[in-house]
Amino acid sequence: DAGVTQSPTHLIKTRGQQVTLRCSPKSGHDTVSWYQQALGQGPQFIFQYYEEEERQRGNFPDRFSGHQFPNYSSELNVNALLLGDSALYLCASSLSHGGRRSNEQFFGPGTRLTVL
Amino acid sequence: GQSLEQPSEVTAVEGAIVQINCTYQTSGFYGLSWYQQHDGGAPTFLSYNALDGLEETGRFSSFLSRSDSYGYLLLQELQMKDSASYFCAVIASGGSYIPTFGRGTSLIVHP
Repeated sequence: DAGVTQSPTHLIKTRGQQVTLRCSPKSGHDTVSWYQQALGQGPQFIFQYYEEEERQRGNFPDRFSGHQFPNYSSELNVNALLLGDSALYLCASSLSHGGRRSNEQFFGPGTRLTVL
Repeated sequence: GQSLEQPSEVTAVEGAIVQINCTYQTSGFYGLSWYQQHDGGAPTFLSYNALDGLEETGRFSSFLSRSDSYGYLLLQELQMKDSASYFCAVIASGGSYIPTFGRGTSLIVHP
């Protein structure tokens, strides 16, 4: 049973560039959430996708956008990169109608983004 | 908004018991989760409490007091591999079960 996978593992970009990060959820999961984790901080919620729609969004600017595909995989796009966007980007999958299990998020290994 | 407070660092020795506290402020509280994250790794779900009381899962237990807006994670029989960051995360009602994470507690286990 494959867990959550993310690609790439590491990425280096320069200011102003655009980046796309990818995530495949755990088998059987239908919901994907994206988080940004700065060094020494907890993960900060960016947005959540369910049924190919953005269901909820955190306090992030419109430069952050996403997409969910029919196979539940997801992409995170960040435009006009800033130095402050350097962080670990985590994808987490969950089951929307799993009752108590809906509270359990399965995280991928993350993509380490460095903006120079 | 939501806010969570947890100690930044806790140290203990192998075999000991350690408690990591978490206090929170939020509207529409639904539940409290705990996650473990090793350096360079992904957060891993440990536990979830929606009702008052203690939930035990092996060496780890989690407690919640809704009236005190307080919870803790209890780790028993500490092992070196337990050295990691531990995050409490509050889930507020809204239907999407999205956790808001604290800043994390770094647990250092000494031999």
